[in-house]
Amino acid sequence: EPEVTQTPSHQVTQMGQEVILRCVPISNHLYFYWYRQILGQKVEFLVSFYNNEISEKSEIFDDQFSVERPDGSNFTLKIRSTKLEDSAMYFCASRALSAGSGDQPQHFGDGTRLSIL
Amino acid sequence: QQQVKQSPQSLIVQKGGIPIINCAYENTAFDYFPWYQQFPGKGPALLIAIRPDVSEKKEGRFTISFNKSAKQFSLHIMDSQPGDSATYFCAASIRRSNTGKLIFGQGTTLQVKP
Repeated sequence: EPEVTQTPSHQVTQMGQEVILRCVPISNHLYFYWYRQILGQKVEFLVSFYNNEISEKSEIFDDQFSVERPDGSNFTLKIRSTKLEDSAMYFCASRALSAGSGDQPQHFGDGTRLSIL
Repeated sequence: QQQVKQSPQSLIVQKGGIPIINCAYENTAFDYFPWYQQFPGKGPALLIAIRPDVSEKKEGRFTISFNKSAKQFSLHIMDSQPGDSATYFCAASIRRSNTGKLIFGQGTTLQVKP
């Protein structure tokens, strides 16, 4: 079964440094998402991406965050200047285009654990 | 209004028991309610989902009950097994939106004792 893959599985970065988290969504999917989960808390929506542009972003997704789909397969999340509170698990998800009344679920990767020192 | 409230926070049952996890929402625009299962070190995996035009959906040992008027839905796990021990998240989204973003509940950690 096709799956969403994320790299690296764990990223340790000094505060103030830039970090790029990478995702390879499922190949025929058209909607892409980033979520984050702070340890012990719920999964929170960060941003959605469709047709090469951001379709929605949350309050968390401020000017320090950006997303890009540099080629036909990768989807990246960049944090320009990391803060201690950015430490979390970051999940990428993708979804196929819904056909008719069908519901297409979001498929999640196994996440990147980001630790800011 | 965008929140989904989930309870209990944790749950311990004996093998064969029927754990029940409850969720409530306020936004009547939500029209898709999935449940996700998450094992340690893994991403959430879709378990089962329901739309508000049905009151119950069953897939294997997992059943969602949906009460549209009360704006509540719940997950029942029949004949629970130790392998069902995981964290369960309810979620909600608006299918006709241009994003389909998921709003998650706080999660329930389930332990099924042998």
